[in-house]
Amino acid sequence: GAVVSQHPSRVICKSGTSVKIECRSLDFQATTMFWYRQFPKQSLMLMATSNEGSKATYEQGVEKDKFLINHASLTLSTLTVTSAHPEDSSFYICSAALAENNEQFFGPGTRLTVL
Amino acid sequence: GEDVEQSLFLSVREGDSSVINCTYTDSSSTYLYWYKQEPGAGLQLLTYIFSNMDMKQDQRLTVLLNKKDKHLSLRIADTQTGDSAIYFCAERGGGFKTIFGAGTRLFVKA
Repeated sequence: GAVVSQHPSRVICKSGTSVKIECRSLDFQATTMFWYRQFPKQSLMLMATSNEGSKATYEQGVEKDKFLINHASLTLSTLTVTSAHPEDSSFYICSAALAENNEQFFGPGTRLTVL
Repeated sequence: GEDVEQSLFLSVREGDSSVINCTYTDSSSTYLYWYKQEPGAGLQLLTYIFSNMDMKQDQRLTVLLNKKDKHLSLRIADTQTGDSAIYFCAERGGGFKTIFGAGTRLFVKA
């Protein structure tokens, strides 16, 4: 089946720094990737939809200058949390959609802890 | 807007059947999904059903869909301790956007 990887799996950073999370589709091309955030014991909240070669579409309430998304190729999307604060600590999950049927495959997630 | 609701907890004994229920509001849903999430891990797709089906069986898993009532259920037969996890119901309409429920935490007692 289609595999999506994320890197890093865990990251701890200091408040005020920026953190980049990578999402890769390993064995397929994904024209569309999605970034979700999951708070403890809560569901996934869609942050943005990322299309290759174009600007990401952000959900209401998500700051685009805070969460920078780049989808430079058909197999890679990155999420950069800029000037991270402790409240940005969360589990970030990406998914990639197969072009032919829009089926989504999820990455294993990245746990971000901001001190 | 679209909404997906499911109960937060379910506790069963090992060997019993588990039934996790979900309701959704989007009448244009095309796919309905069940995902499993183990502690600290990402989501694993368990099964999905097209909106024009009313039942799908896959080994120990049975999905029932009542489209009229917008009700989806997941039955796990012979529940094992390894089935303990959070189960998310999700629905997708005509576009890409997938809406997730809050997740049902399944506890399996030995």
